[in-house]
Amino acid sequence: DVVMTQSPLSLSATVGQPASISCKSTRTLVSDDGNTYLNWFQQRPGQSPRRLLYKVSNRDTGVPDRFSGSGSGTNFTLEISRVETEDVGLYYCMQATHWPPITFGPGTKLDIK
Amino acid sequence: EVQLVESGGGFVQPGGSLRLSCETSGFSFSNYWMSWVRQAPGKGLEWVANIKWDESEKNYVESVEGRFSITRDNSRNSLYLEMNSLRAEDTAIYYCATVSSGSSADYWGQGTRVTVSS
Repeated sequence: DVVMTQSPLSLSATVGQPASISCKSTRTLVSDDGNTYLNWFQQRPGQSPRRLLYKVSNRDTGVPDRFSGSGSGTNFTLEISRVETEDVGLYYCMQATHWPPITFGPGTKLDIK
Repeated sequence: EVQLVESGGGFVQPGGSLRLSCETSGFSFSNYWMSWVRQAPGKGLEWVANIKWDESEKNYVESVEGRFSITRDNSRNSLYLEMNSLRAEDTAIYYCATVSSGSSADYWGQGTRVTVSS
């Protein structure tokens, strides 16, 4: 199984400042079809997860452009250009290149300083 | 409006069974792979199982293989998870979700809570 790791596991950010989360996989996430199936999810307190980005860097409808994704192979990053209070919550990366099983990272908890 | 509404969760003793349901509306259910994803108390997300749109393929995480069964009814736009031989470590909120990996929209329900305890 592909193991996903994230760092940091906890992040205290300042409103208006940037923040970033790293995600690494134990195997390249480049699929045989040339796509990289790496998603990022946000889970606000008490809510269901919501996908923010798919295939590394594609934003879902309604996701603010302050969220961006980058990376390739086994190393990926979620960046928030200017953190807002509504960004508090858990962030997960997920791979769907080598499945089953689909695997998630352990999650990064973002709070506001 | 897209809706995924899970039901069927509850309290069950170890070794017991539960059947979760997920009724959907507002999207083309029969065109999507569907998944169950769970989240144990205070823990992260764990993919449990998925099923192809025509039921021709089903996959499970190793820890539930042989105990859980995923099915769907496209005529009812509904997804199901039959859970048998339940263990304490199955205690979690269970989400019904599309878990789309490509450009298709991604939808999640609000979850249903399963507690396995004596």
